[in-house]
Amino acid sequence: EVQLVESGGGLVQPGRSLRLSCAASGFTFDEYAMHWVRQAPGKGLEWVSGISWKSNNIGYAGSVKGRFTISRDNAKKSLYLQMDSLRPDDTAFYYCAKAGGINWSDVGWFDTWGQGTLVTVSS
Amino acid sequence: EIVMTQSPATLSVSPGERATLSCRASQSVSSNLAWYQQKPGQAPRLLIYGASTRATGIPARFRGSGSGTEFTLTISSLQSEDFAVYYCQHYNNWLLYSFGQGTKLEIK
Repeated sequence: EVQLVESGGGLVQPGRSLRLSCAASGFTFDEYAMHWVRQAPGKGLEWVSGISWKSNNIGYAGSVKGRFTISRDNAKKSLYLQMDSLRPDDTAFYYCAKAGGINWSDVGWFDTWGQGTLVTVSS
Repeated sequence: EIVMTQSPATLSVSPGERATLSCRASQSVSSNLAWYQQKPGQAPRLLIYGASTRATGIPARFRGSGSGTEFTLTISSLQSEDFAVYYCQHYNNWLLYSFGQGTKLEIK
């Protein structure tokens, strides 16, 4: 069974840092691009960041560029999101999502999602 | 940045009837469009990719159509489990993706 499990969320003060992790299982992790998508409570979905299978292609939403860093460890089958200079509007559930396929045409849609981890930025 | 606009924001339909949800892109995204369903307290679930290809395990009553800037998700003969929020998402530009704001499908 394909599974993604996020961890690392919690309450953090504005300006501080937090690192999220996503543990993957049930598929060949190093063949797929991976992404982070967030959802503020009661709001819609926002793509945050994505990383290719070999980490040589990385992208960020404008709202987090320069503050967040995505990375992956294929040996550990894990995806990470380092979040620095956090702001109250970063408060959201953060989902780890797997790309739908290994072809370039399939890296941008998400066929498996984790259950999410809640990040709350507040003083 | 490509902006995705969904309509209506809320759609009230009776069980057994058909629901038609719309998604418009601010510029052409070809067929690089996906649809997701989200129920309260759950992660989103992939329904459609490539504008019209159903994901594994998705019932045939879900049908996606369109290309370019206009897309439609049609759910025929609504079941009780279909009442949820639906999001469209484009993936036309590598690592510059965006979602629509969502359509809430509620029981009439």
